[in-house]
Amino acid sequence: EVVLTQSPTTLSLSPGERATLSCRASQNIAGHLAWYQQKAGQAPRLLINDASNRATGIPARFSGSGSGTDFTLTINSLEPEDFAVYYCHHRSSWPLTFGQGTRLEI
Amino acid sequence: QITLEESGPTLVKPTQTLTLTCTFSGFSLNTGGVGVGWIRQPPGKALEWLALIWWSGEAHYSPSLTGRLNIDKDTSKNQVVLTMTNMDPVDTATYYCAHRLDSRHFDYWGRGTLVTVST
Repeated sequence: EVVLTQSPTTLSLSPGERATLSCRASQNIAGHLAWYQQKAGQAPRLLINDASNRATGIPARFSGSGSGTDFTLTINSLEPEDFAVYYCHHRSSWPLTFGQGTRLEI
Repeated sequence: QITLEESGPTLVKPTQTLTLTCTFSGFSLNTGGVGVGWIRQPPGKALEWLALIWWSGEAHYSPSLTGRLNIDKDTSKNQVVLTMTNMDPVDTATYYCAHRLDSRHFDYWGRGTLVTVST
């Protein structure tokens, strides 16, 4: 089973700053990693497909990078609506797994 | 557009079997490459993948819940059904169903349904 470890657990920043979130896989998953944003009481929203492809309608301030075991989600110039919990998720092999999440707070 | 909606009981007793239905529109589970999965989230905790069924009928399950889960599809009704046996209070969670393609990640999600396991 691929274990996804996200860091940091909590990230405290201000609007306008840049956020850098990390996801490390316990084995090589090539580029088969996604990033999701989840706000309280809502379903997860797909941000990034396959490490670096923004999903439809996702603003350009969100970008993803990485391959193999180390991945990064970068959010440039944080907007107030970006403060949420972010999860990484792989589809490289069975079983599918999610990271434990990073809370981005003001 | 693609939509999914979960339905089922909000409260089940320990040892009972949970049956959840995902009713979808905007795609067909007869189309090659299409899948529907179930993911759950205990209150205040992380997402956990449970099961997925492909258009072909091939199914995959979380090994941590092996033996308790069954996923099935009814393409005529545009539904996917998840059953989970021997429910326990630790299974209290919001249960989501989601669409994906075999070359993509889960892209469309339902709103989720909160299931509480309690006497």
